[in-house]
Amino acid sequence: DADVTQTPRNRITKTGKRIMLECSQTKGHDRMYWYRQDPGLGLQLIYYSFDVKDINKGEISDGYSVSRQAQAKFSLSLESAIPNQTALYFCATSDRKTSGRALGGNEQFFGPGTRLTVL
Amino acid sequence: GQQLNQSPQSMFIQEGEDVSMNCTSSSIFNTWLWYKQEPGEGPVLLIALYKAGELTSNGRLTAQFGITRKDSFLNISASIPSDVGIYFCAGQITNAGKSTFGDGTTLTVKP
Repeated sequence: DADVTQTPRNRITKTGKRIMLECSQTKGHDRMYWYRQDPGLGLQLIYYSFDVKDINKGEISDGYSVSRQAQAKFSLSLESAIPNQTALYFCATSDRKTSGRALGGNEQFFGPGTRLTVL
Repeated sequence: GQQLNQSPQSMFIQEGEDVSMNCTSSSIFNTWLWYKQEPGEGPVLLIALYKAGELTSNGRLTAQFGITRKDSFLNISASIPSDVGIYFCAGQITNAGKSTFGDGTTLTVKP
């Protein structure tokens, strides 16, 4: 079974619709992240959460919101989708306590991605 | 904010050739990470580097943490078709808890 799962895997929607992308993890990690990937632009951080009560904006948070319902769940919402939000969205997790040799160093584990198309 | 310049943007090589790619930054990072993304999947960690000057290998892959802490290099020796994918570098500042990613190097290997 996958450690980081994302639903749905593919979604086509229309401009103005509200969309929620969900992420669940069984790794027991405290940190979760949402990224957006556009062709040739790498991964851009949308929001990240260090625990249930700690949520932070990333580089491109405008037009998005998140909810950390539990340590294992982190959802991303587009309140009113627009065509330039068409992209591949990835959820990722990391564990502050065990990752890396340097203090605070954290390898991230990614989900399989959600391909979102806004028409 | 911090930016990473990753080059080359894409590479088309023959099976068996060696590959080199690099990442440079205008600011210092304390950790460098290299990920590989295969089609239809999320990125997967290949190598993590935690100390300036560190050289670390993972099979045919070797990565180095630059002495200035502003760059990192990834080499793949004797490439094979399954090396195809997008390779990302990522830099981290200690205790920041998040990464800055490069734009990726797309590798194509011709049999």
